[in-house]
Amino acid sequence: EVQLVESGGGLVQPGGSLRLSCAVSGFTFSGHAMNWVRQAPGKGLEWVSSISGSGGTTYYADSVKGRFTISKDKSKNTVFLQMNSLRAEDTAVYYCAKDQGPAVPGTFDYWGQGTLVSVSS
Amino acid sequence: DIQMTQSPSSLSASVGDSVTITCQASQDITNYLNWYQQKPGKAPKLLIYDASDLEAGVPSRFSGSGSVTDFTFTISSLQPEDVATYYCQQYDDVLVTFGGGTKVEIK
Repeated sequence: EVQLVESGGGLVQPGGSLRLSCAVSGFTFSGHAMNWVRQAPGKGLEWVSSISGSGGTTYYADSVKGRFTISKDKSKNTVFLQMNSLRAEDTAVYYCAKDQGPAVPGTFDYWGQGTLVSVSS
Repeated sequence: DIQMTQSPSSLSASVGDSVTITCQASQDITNYLNWYQQKPGKAPKLLIYDASDLEAGVPSRFSGSGSVTDFTFTISSLQPEDVATYYCQQYDDVLVTFGGGTKVEIK
């Protein structure tokens, strides 16, 4: 059974940092790209970042480029999202999503339950 | 970035009705188009991929069609458990984008 479990969300001040984790199981970790998608309160879905199955290629939305970094630890079957210079507009539920394919962001076939990030003073 | 325009933003229909949602891309995305369902307080769920392929385990009352820039999502017979917000998503560009969502309610 495929499982994705996010953690690391919380309340942080503007300009602060937070690292999200997504522990996965039930599939070949290196065979699938992994993604982060966020949803601001009462708003729609926004793709944030992706990392290829090999970990060699990463992609970022323009809204987070230069501030967020996606990475993965193959020994722990975990994907991370390091978020720096956080802004109020980064407040959202952050979902981890498994990709059907191995390389570029595409079809998100399994999702975690989400973790809430609140940026406020 | 490729813009995805989804309509309507909300709709209300009776149980058993056929419901249709449209999604228009700002440029040719071939058939690189998915549809997701999100129930309140829950994570999104993949329903349709590659514009018209039904994800395993998804009821056959859900269907998708279209190509190039114009796509349609249909619920053939609306059920109470289909109350949710539905999103289209393109992946022709590595900068994936979602439509604004359609909230479906029961009349």
